[in-house]
Amino acid sequence: AQKVTQAQTEISVVEKEDVTLDCVYETRDTTYYLFWYKQPPSGELVFLIRRNSFDEQNEISGRYSWNFQKSTSSFNFTITASQVVDSAVYFCALSEARRDDKIIFGKGTRLHILP
Amino acid sequence: EPEVTQTPSHQVTQMGQEVILRCVPISNHLYFYWYRQILGQKVEFLVSFYNNEISEKSEIFDDQFSVERPDGSNFTLKIRSTKLEDSAMYFCASTRGGKETQYFGPGTRLLVL
Repeated sequence: AQKVTQAQTEISVVEKEDVTLDCVYETRDTTYYLFWYKQPPSGELVFLIRRNSFDEQNEISGRYSWNFQKSTSSFNFTITASQVVDSAVYFCALSEARRDDKIIFGKGTRLHILP
Repeated sequence: EPEVTQTPSHQVTQMGQEVILRCVPISNHLYFYWYRQILGQKVEFLVSFYNNEISEKSEIFDDQFSVERPDGSNFTLKIRSTKLEDSAMYFCASTRGGKETQYFGPGTRLLVL
């Protein structure tokens, strides 16, 4: 069965600090996709990244970086030099690489960036 | 850039009433989904739809729910007789194929009184 665990329910950091959001997943499939979404207070889901299970290279996009480690079934997300606009709920998610597979979301981590 | 749209953005209804939530997926997409997010909780899969039929549905998607693609552009979710616990944000998503990224709409916030 698929499962995504985000153990951190809520995190508060002061602006400009770095922060890492943890994500651990479970799946029996060898081929799958991992995602991160941002949900700001307005409620929409903003797509951040999708990573194929065969690609373990870390990825950096501006202040955002992702660390994918299959050995520990983790896909952690780091925000460098955090800003108040980064305040949101962040969801890690998983889908199997089938034709029309659903996305399974974690419970989310609420991130507060304090000015 | 094309996007998924949903209407209405907010809907308030009385318990027992029928509601229809509408979505316009991205035009060349073939797979369609509805997800639900109860306030403060995680996003949950409801149903996937392909080739004019349901591909998969979750246990949440009981007989009170139905989906339809009535024309070439709209994808609707109907709740036949709403309950208080149906109050949630409902997200529509679409993709060209299962190996492509799903694009989410902005959501419809449903409140059942």
